[in-house]
Amino acid sequence: RKEVEQDPGPFNVPEGATVAFNCTYSNSASQSFFWYRQDCRKEPKLLMSVYSSGNEDGRFTAQLNRASQYISLLIRDSKLSDSATYLCVVLNYGGSQGNLIFGKGTKLSVKP
Amino acid sequence: EAGVAQSPRYKIIEKRQSVAFWCNPISGHATLYWYQQILGQGPKLLIQFQNNGVVDDSQLPKDRFSAERLKGVDSTLKIQPAKLEDSAVYLCASSLEADSPLHFGNGTRLTVT
Repeated sequence: RKEVEQDPGPFNVPEGATVAFNCTYSNSASQSFFWYRQDCRKEPKLLMSVYSSGNEDGRFTAQLNRASQYISLLIRDSKLSDSATYLCVVLNYGGSQGNLIFGKGTKLSVKP
Repeated sequence: EAGVAQSPRYKIIEKRQSVAFWCNPISGHATLYWYQQILGQGPKLLIQFQNNGVVDDSQLPKDRFSAERLKGVDSTLKIQPAKLEDSAVYLCASSLEADSPLHFGNGTRLTVT
């Protein structure tokens, strides 16, 4: 089983749609979780951290289920500018240092 | 705040040649990372530095890849000799501490022919 697995893309949705991405991780001791966004031919950028209680930032909601080792990202009222690849990232600790593991990413394409 | 600087942006070399990439992290960031991102995949960690010490190089192909961060600031990543499968984007990232969010540079797109 891969350390971080994401929904295979691409997701093609119309403007205004609600879309959800899922991510599972294999290491039950994983400490922290993030969603990064990567535009075509650009570097990844932090979208949001994922907290145990769930967190929301405008149209974006992230959820964490530690028991199921599952993370989700919900995008409401999607915009054309949301088109990008969304990377699920998990922080594992080995010894005293953290190690960030990236998923392969899920590509989102929002159409007019 | 100036971001992570990388150079060059693009590099095309033939297999068996050597290549070097440079990275200048955000000022004050102790942790520096080199990632390899092959098309269609997520970034894969090659090496992680804490100041000028290596804390994780378990996925670095040490027979051909090397990296250093001599003064705990700038870093270079070298490939010698390059193989076709090294074609990828090489991303440098830095963070304040090991568990802080990463800030990525623009990356170097390497094509090995």
